[in-house]
Amino acid sequence: AQKVTQAQTEISVVEKEDVTLDCVYETRDTTYYLFWYKQPPSGELVFLIRRNSFDEQNEISGRYSWNFQKSTSSFNFTITASQVVDSAVYFCALSEARGNKLVFGAGTILRVKS
Amino acid sequence: KAGVTQTPRYLIKTRGQQVTLSCSPISGHRSVSWYQQTPGQGLQFLFEYFSETQRNKGNFPGRFSGRQFSNSRSEMNVSTLELGDSALYLCASSLGGTGTHAGELFFGEGSRLTVL
Repeated sequence: AQKVTQAQTEISVVEKEDVTLDCVYETRDTTYYLFWYKQPPSGELVFLIRRNSFDEQNEISGRYSWNFQKSTSSFNFTITASQVVDSAVYFCALSEARGNKLVFGAGTILRVKS
Repeated sequence: KAGVTQTPRYLIKTRGQQVTLSCSPISGHRSVSWYQQTPGQGLQFLFEYFSETQRNKGNFPGRFSGRQFSNSRSEMNVSTLELGDSALYLCASSLGGTGTHAGELFFGEGSRLTVL
């Protein structure tokens, strides 16, 4: 069975600090996808990124970067120079190669204080 | 481009009743998925419909059902409501489910169900 673990329940940082959200996954599939979603206080989940299991290249998008390491089954998310608007719940998720059945982690609450 | 629309946004029911929730996906999206979000269990997959056919199903009892219409709009139904069914029910639409767009979901704001 697939499983996603986000060990950090809540993180508080001061604006402009860098913060890393950890994600560890379990799956027996050789082909799978990993995701990060953001849920701001408004409640609507927002897609941030998807990686497939064959692409271990790290990715950077503005202040966001993702580190995928198959050897440790981890897909960590770093926000550089955090801002108050980054405050949200962040979910890591895993899916099979086909379909939209995602297994979500429990989420990490990120609080960025000014 | 209009987003995913869910109705109703809030509703209160009593145990034993049944409820129907509606979801209108983004225009052009053929896949609709439903998720249940609770403080205790987190986000859990209910089912996915693609071109009016159920493509995937989660581990929920048969009281939870859904369907998709020819215009891709979807409904989910919960019969014989229990207190534990109180949750935020999220609908998500997607262009497909394979290749480039697999797992790239666009979520609605949810329907918050309270069962008394």
